[in-house]
Amino acid sequence: AQSVTQPDIHITVSEGASLELRCNYSYGATPYLFWYVQSPGQGLQLLLKYFSGDTLVQGIKGFEAEFKRSQSSFNLRKPSVHWSDAAEYFCAVSGGSQGNLIFGKGTKLSVKP
Amino acid sequence: SAVISQKPSRDICQRGTSLTIQCQVDSQVTMMFWYRQQPGQSLTLIATANQGSEATYESGFVIDKFPISRPNLTFSTLTVSNMSPEDSSIYLCSVAGALGGAFFGQGTRLTVV
Repeated sequence: AQSVTQPDIHITVSEGASLELRCNYSYGATPYLFWYVQSPGQGLQLLLKYFSGDTLVQGIKGFEAEFKRSQSSFNLRKPSVHWSDAAEYFCAVSGGSQGNLIFGKGTKLSVKP
Repeated sequence: SAVISQKPSRDICQRGTSLTIQCQVDSQVTMMFWYRQQPGQSLTLIATANQGSEATYESGFVIDKFPISRPNLTFSTLTVSNMSPEDSSIYLCSVAGALGGAFFGQGTRLTVV
């Protein structure tokens, strides 16, 4: 069955520290992979996506993610976290460009001053 | 990227009543998607709405409970019928991005009392 697992429900990091949010997927075919961010009371904003090619993808707001096929992972990273990065982060997968996505349960990021 | 407007942004409704949520896109799109995000949970796809045909519902969602209209290529509505407190959620409309993934509206926060 197709699924996305985000093992960490809640992560707290200090401002300026590095960040890595984990995402593992189960998908029968070559997946399209996405990271979205949802700030409190807001909709979802696309941070970055991977379809093919270079396995390290750059996104907005200084985020990047690395696709590792052998580990079925697509972890999100940021070298230095800002207080404004506090939000909920969702990893998602789809089988193509149709737009119907399967989401993970999300990881809530808190940032300490 | 597409600009998606949802109305209402939030509502408090009495159990047993129905609410219709509107989704307007600033460009013509073939498919529109409706998701539900229950409190503290991830997003779950309710249905895919194609213009000119019946919506396609995901497992666990039925047309009688969540009727959808798609009268043209820029507009769709989702009705939550005969509401109960368990229907309290954020309902989000989305469209496929031209290069994959999806763009989301701000969502409709529904509370059923």
